[in-house]
Amino acid sequence: DIQMTQSPSSLSASLGDRVTITCRASQSISNYLNWYQQKAGKAPDLLIYAASSLQSGVPSRFSGSGSGTHFTLTISVLQPEDFATYYCQQSYSTPRTFGQGTKVEIK
Amino acid sequence: QVHLVESGGGVVQPGRSLRLSCAASGFTFSTYILHWVRQAPGKGLEWVAVISSDASNKYYADSVKGRFTISRDNSNNTLYLQMNSLRAEDTAVYYCARESWSGYFYFDYWGQGTQVTVSS
Repeated sequence: DIQMTQSPSSLSASLGDRVTITCRASQSISNYLNWYQQKAGKAPDLLIYAASSLQSGVPSRFSGSGSGTHFTLTISVLQPEDFATYYCQQSYSTPRTFGQGTKVEIK
Repeated sequence: QVHLVESGGGVVQPGRSLRLSCAASGFTFSTYILHWVRQAPGKGLEWVAVISSDASNKYYADSVKGRFTISRDNSNNTLYLQMNSLRAEDTAVYYCARESWSGYFYFDYWGQGTQVTVSS
């Protein structure tokens, strides 16, 4: 199974900050990398697929990059509604493993 | 509009069984791969099982293999998860998710989740 490791596990940031979350795969997954946002008590929402493609309706302040084993999710200007937990997921093979999550909290 | 609605969760004793359902609408159900994903209290997302569009292929996480069975009824647009020999560690919110493909695979729609609590 492919292991996905996110860093950091949590971070504190202020409104307007630029935030970067990292995800590493245990083997190369090309661009088969997705990012999801989950707010408390809700189902996850797809933000980014194929490492850098923005899902329809997602604000352009979200961006993704990377390929192979190293990926990043960037929020360019942190907004109040962005405080949530973010998960990466590989879709290169089954099982579709997730990272352990990164919780973005208010500083 | 795509909708996925889970049901069937509840409180069950260890060793007992439960069947979850996921009713789908707003898309051609029979052409999509579907997954179950769970989330234990305060924990991250854990992939559980997947079923192909025609139900010919099914895969399971090692943690549930031999105990859980995924199935689907394409005539009634419903996904199922039969959970047998339940353990305390199966306590979680269970989500169904649709997998889409546009050169790459991703879960573009999720249900709201159904809570399963395994406790004596």
